[in-house]
Amino acid sequence: QVQLVQSGAEVKKPGASVKVSCKASGYTFISYYIHWVRQAPGQGLEWMGIINPSGGSASYAQKFQGRVTMTRDTSTSTVYMDLSRLRSEDTAIYYCARESSGAGHWFDPWGQGTLVTVSS
Amino acid sequence: DIVMTQSPDSLAVSLGERATFNCKSSQSVLYSSNNKNYLAWYQQKPGQPPKLLIYWASTRESGVPDRFSGSGSGTDFTLTISSLQAEDVAIYYCQQYYSTPPTFGGGTRVEIK
Repeated sequence: QVQLVQSGAEVKKPGASVKVSCKASGYTFISYYIHWVRQAPGQGLEWMGIINPSGGSASYAQKFQGRVTMTRDTSTSTVYMDLSRLRSEDTAIYYCARESSGAGHWFDPWGQGTLVTVSS
Repeated sequence: DIVMTQSPDSLAVSLGERATFNCKSSQSVLYSSNNKNYLAWYQQKPGQPPKLLIYWASTRESGVPDRFSGSGSGTDFTLTISSLQAEDVAIYYCQQYYSTPPTFGGGTRVEIK
């Protein structure tokens, strides 16, 4: 079945960087865009950006421009989200999610989430 | 960016009763060329990622119980649970995919009365 499996929880100090992975299985990796969405504790869902696993091009939410980089490794069917210059407000669960094919752009499925805690 | 506003913030409903909650977009998400509303609904249970329930505003995802239904068009949308079950306790989010960035509503928490 289609599955996205993310890397484990991270604890980082302010100013550091974090790299979260998302390994896809059960489908043709390069055929579907992958999005990253985060959720701060007790809060709603915030879109961070999108990567095209085929060519590797990525587009980011304005809020994260300059701090986020999304990459992929087609040999392992894995996408990565790198967030730099971390601050306490970046403490959140980070999700990867596959975009549907065709005209619609809903997200299904989602990875299990990766908790990133930023604390001194 | 399109702002999605959900109401109410929380809702307590008795088991077996109907639960209805709303989602409003700051601009229309109806694409005139195909007459489709670019809106999805997700269910998020504690400690789990969101799960897709409905897309195109009213199309149920495969495997989603038929007690869940979506309706609405343009800027105003509704998700209805026709007979609330204990396993439906969750937060429900709407999302527009009409334009980039995709945006989510703040969620409606559904509890058992």
